[in-house]
Amino acid sequence: GAGVSQSPRYKVAKRGQDVALRCDPISGHVSLFWYQQALGQGPEFLTYFQNEAQLDKSGLPSDRFFAERPEGSVSTLKIQRTQQEDSAVYLCASSLEAGIDYGYTFGSGTRLTVV
Amino acid sequence: AQSVSQHNHHVILSEAASLELGCNYSYGGTVNLFWYVQYPGQHLQLLLKYFSGDPLVKGIKGFEAEFIKSKFSFNLRKPSVQWSDTAEYFCAVTTSGTYKYIFGTGTRLKVLA
Repeated sequence: GAGVSQSPRYKVAKRGQDVALRCDPISGHVSLFWYQQALGQGPEFLTYFQNEAQLDKSGLPSDRFFAERPEGSVSTLKIQRTQQEDSAVYLCASSLEAGIDYGYTFGSGTRLTVV
Repeated sequence: AQSVSQHNHHVILSEAASLELGCNYSYGGTVNLFWYVQYPGQHLQLLLKYFSGDPLVKGIKGFEAEFIKSKFSFNLRKPSVQWSDTAEYFCAVTTSGTYKYIFGTGTRLKVLA
């Protein structure tokens, strides 16, 4: 597609539920990023993939967070046993090549609300 | 740790007023600097970026930003705002050789028609 597509746009989960958030990057884009944006804050880095390899997961806040990109295209961010502090907008971004110089295209995000 | 500060959280202007949004970062080494805009209901879009060279950077839609290394600042400016500039603006930094953005908390701009 022309842009980065994320689904669902909105997700309400009961505390303790598992959720899966999907990101469809721009076709052919090598790099894929996940960011978390809490209310009133700027986005914060979660994890980075280059093709199917997860090169950096230093921003994942706990072991309840897991991301994968098994075929180097679509990525899924999974959150197990959701907590209220997980409520945020989760942004996906992709880039044609590795490296900041090439610029990233962001998706519109998934707004997760944990009740 | 590196950080980015945007001191103006909410700004309200009338159309045709001039705009300056502040951005300061904390990092002593080489940085790449960015301004992103998020229009209501839309995704983050790149307004402009600075990597090296002329510290005055021109972006899309009449925006510009000036990198002042001695002040660790990268303020965004526009001489005359329009109603359509109503959006949230984020300053972001990456340090040389890295790919992670460090974002500021954003500034919500409302332009009154």
